[in-house]
Amino acid sequence: QVHLVESGGGVVQPGSSLRLSCAASGFTFSNYGMHWVRQAPGKGLEWVALIRHDGSNKYYVDSVKGRFTISRDNSKNTLYLQMNSLRAEDTAVYYCAGNFDIWGQGTVVTVSS
Amino acid sequence: DVVMTQSPLSLPVTLGQPASISCRSSQSLVYSDGNTYLSWFQQRPGQSPRRLIYRVSSRDSGVPDRFSGSGSGTDFTLEISRVEAEDVGIYYCMQGTHLYTFGQGTKLEIK
Repeated sequence: QVHLVESGGGVVQPGSSLRLSCAASGFTFSNYGMHWVRQAPGKGLEWVALIRHDGSNKYYVDSVKGRFTISRDNSKNTLYLQMNSLRAEDTAVYYCAGNFDIWGQGTVVTVSS
Repeated sequence: DVVMTQSPLSLPVTLGQPASISCRSSQSLVYSDGNTYLSWFQQRPGQSPRRLIYRVSSRDSGVPDRFSGSGSGTDFTLEISRVEAEDVGIYYCMQGTHLYTFGQGTKLEIK
């Protein structure tokens, strides 16, 4: 069965760091471009970052450039999102998605003092 | 940046009746390879998003054939031929031609 399971969310103070993980199973992870998508409380979906299937290229939404880093370990079937200098506006449910046709259940990140 | 504008934002529909959601992009979504990367997603209450349609009109596996997508260039439409109770949720269009941008979402409810 195809699965993506996010972890690593939590409550942190502004300026802190957090690393999200997304564990994949049931499909050939190394064939998939992987995305992070977030959803602030009561708001719509916002694309955050993409990493190509082989890690060769990475892309970010402007609001996280220089603060967030997407990476992957195909030997471990795992996607990561390193989030630094967190702001209140980064508070959201963070979803990982494979080619947008496979989605995880999300992990909640709350940035608050 | 490409802006995606959906209408309506709220869509009350009677069971068994059709529904239509419009999505307009601020730039053409035709990519250099000739494809148009416009997708539609459904998010049921309390659930993760699910893709319904990709490349304007291709249905994902397992998606009922009452869902259909159409359009070209900058104007796109998602149609549901006969709304069922399980269709309640928020529908998003998303462009994947110029990186990625979602529309604001359209909330479908049963009248």
